[in-house]
Amino acid sequence: NAGVTQTPKFRILKIGQSMTLQCTQDMNHNYMYWYRQDPGMGLKLIYYSVGAGITDKGEVPNGYNVSRSTTEDFPLRLELAAPSQTSVYFCASSAQETQYFGPGTRLLVL
Amino acid sequence: GQQVMQIPQYQHVQEGEDFTTYCNSSTTLSNIQWYKQRPGGHPVFLIQLVKSGEVKKQKRLTFQFGEAKKNSSLHITATQTTDVGTYFCAESNTGKLIFGQGTTLQVKP
Repeated sequence: NAGVTQTPKFRILKIGQSMTLQCTQDMNHNYMYWYRQDPGMGLKLIYYSVGAGITDKGEVPNGYNVSRSTTEDFPLRLELAAPSQTSVYFCASSAQETQYFGPGTRLLVL
Repeated sequence: GQQVMQIPQYQHVQEGEDFTTYCNSSTTLSNIQWYKQRPGGHPVFLIQLVKSGEVKKQKRLTFQFGEAKKNSSLHITATQTTDVGTYFCAESNTGKLIFGQGTTLQVKP
């Protein structure tokens, strides 16, 4: 099992550009999550999904969108990138309580 | 909303010294999880505590859940340089995790 994979590893965006952060898990987990982690801070939940076709907002959803068309994939979309979205983004999945995290995507918005 | 407060934010210790991080909530926690994040890495699950007063050990790491289920602690005995990283507590609630701010541990060899 590859676990949770994320692409890209690193990206630089200009203000106003859009991009999709990809997340895939091969553990057949129903639950998937997107977090952002700012330097020296904890993780803030952006969006989560309890199963294919179902998504819900977390603590900091503004400026982001998600979709969950399959159990495996949970892409995160930034439509109009802003400097405040400079962060490290982690995707995670879980079957029950324990969450398994991907390696993260470092995003820099200039 | 729910908040899990974690202290201290940073801790520098000499290798061989002990280390403790504390997690506190104003409300009763359903359970508490602990994660470790190495520098430049991603969070990795360590343990989950569910029962009031529960104590679990993993080698040099001791995890406790308070009697009132409002606080938890992680204690590392005789730290090693491999213990470096940020330790997060998190409450699991309806499938979501609410993370504390984390405690970053630096170990001087």
